[in-house]
Amino acid sequence: KAGVTQTPRYLIKTRGQQVTLSCSPISGHRSVSWYQQTPGQGLQFLFEYFSETQRNKGNFPGRFSGRQFSNSRSEMNVSTLELGDSALYLCASSTGQGRGNEQFFGPGTRLTVL
Amino acid sequence: AQSVTQLGSHVSVSEGALVLLRCNYSSSVPPYLFWYVQYPNQGLQLLLKYTTGATLVKGINGFEAEFKKSETSFHLTKPSAHMSDAAEYFCAVRLITQGGSEKLVFGKGTKLTVNP
Repeated sequence: KAGVTQTPRYLIKTRGQQVTLSCSPISGHRSVSWYQQTPGQGLQFLFEYFSETQRNKGNFPGRFSGRQFSNSRSEMNVSTLELGDSALYLCASSTGQGRGNEQFFGPGTRLTVL
Repeated sequence: AQSVTQLGSHVSVSEGALVLLRCNYSSSVPPYLFWYVQYPNQGLQLLLKYTTGATLVKGINGFEAEFKKSETSFHLTKPSAHMSDAAEYFCAVRLITQGGSEKLVFGKGTKLTVNP
């Protein structure tokens, strides 16, 4: 099975712009979660989507949004970029059902905001 | 609220020496615990997980961890370090809401250096 893929791998944007990141989960997985990783804050949960519905959301401003399509692919969008949004954004997929099932992570998208 | 504390942001060992990375958790319910490894410019790879049952969990690459409820710990060990073990290691606890949503709460990470 192919793993979780994320595109693009690297992005450079300027303050005020918006950006869209994409995540394709493992085939058959219906849950996609997004995490932000920064040196200062570590790994923080952004949101989780399951069957096209947002099931859970972390403590991030409304500039961070996401969606999931019928094929389980997910996108996250960050509007009005700030310098502090520079981070590695990781996507993880799982079956989304049953206790103990693991999350498989993609390689991440490294976003740099100038 | 569930949380994870990793003691030591940096650990340095010699090749062939014991690796011990410490993780303590706080959880109001029986925890599901995970150890992930991250190599430079890569995502997270699952090393091992504890859900229920045997408290000594064996993972990939010779790593293992022991769940100790009385100490609220889930330390990661490897008897003999290899140069390829140099990476950053994250301990995590899973939260599952009543609605079935899940998220991982991570520790701050421990960067392991292996000296020749």
